[in-house]
Amino acid sequence: QAVLTQPSSLSASPGASASLTCTLRSGINVGTYNIYWYQQKPGRPPQFLLRYKSDSDKQQGSGVPSRFSGSKDASANAGILLISGLQSEDEADYYCMIWHSSASVVFGGGTKLTVL
Amino acid sequence: EVQLVESGGGLVQPGGSLRLSCAASGFSFSTYWMSWVRQAPGKGLEWVANIKEDGSEKNYVDSVKGRFTISRDNAKNSLYLQMNSLRAEDTAVYYCASGYSVDVWGQGTTVTVSS
Repeated sequence: QAVLTQPSSLSASPGASASLTCTLRSGINVGTYNIYWYQQKPGRPPQFLLRYKSDSDKQQGSGVPSRFSGSKDASANAGILLISGLQSEDEADYYCMIWHSSASVVFGGGTKLTVL
Repeated sequence: EVQLVESGGGLVQPGGSLRLSCAASGFSFSTYWMSWVRQAPGKGLEWVANIKEDGSEKNYVDSVKGRFTISRDNAKNSLYLQMNSLRAEDTAVYYCASGYSVDVWGQGTTVTVSS
C-alpha cells in the first residue's frame, strides 16, 4: 500500500469548489504530519502551494491565492486541498507530500484536476 | 530573485554515469535543505534524495541507494547528484528544489538512459 494515495482525477465546474484528498497509509497518523501541496501545469516545474498541519500551524506559498487552503479529515486519515472559486487556470496536476521516516520525502501519485 | 538552475542532463547508455549540477542564487543556500526530485515521462513526482544544510545528513529513495550520491558545495552555492550504474527506469526530468517545504524548484534537466 502506498504511503500517500490520491485519486487519479477529479472534475469540477468553474466557480465551484474542489476538494482534493491525500490519504495516508494505515498506521501513519495524519495528525502528526505537515501535509505539503504542489501544483504542476504541463511542461512546467511544480509550484509549492501550501503547508498544513493545523489551523494554527500552516503556511501559504508566496503569491498563492487564499482560495487555495488546506485542512485534514482525521476520520479518513487524510489531508485535503480545497480550491474555492475554481478558475480555468486551476486545471493542473496536484501532488501532496510528507516528510516520512528517517527524513525521507514521499509524494502522492497526483490528482489531475479538470475544470469544465 | 531566488533561482535554481540545473545542468548536466543528457543521453547516456545503461550502466553509464552522469553528474547533475544545480546552481543556486538569490537566497542563503547554506541554510537550506536541498533535494533532487525526478519525474519520468507521463508520470508523477518521485523524491530521489536530500541533503541537510551542512551536508551532514543525506537520504535516498531505495531505488537509487548505492548508485546515486548527493552532495553540495556551500562555498559555490551548488548542489550535485552523481548518478552511476544508470538504468532505463532512471529516465526522467530531474529537478533540484530548496527548503524543508521543497518550495522553490528549478526548471529541470532531462536524463535519458537508452542504448
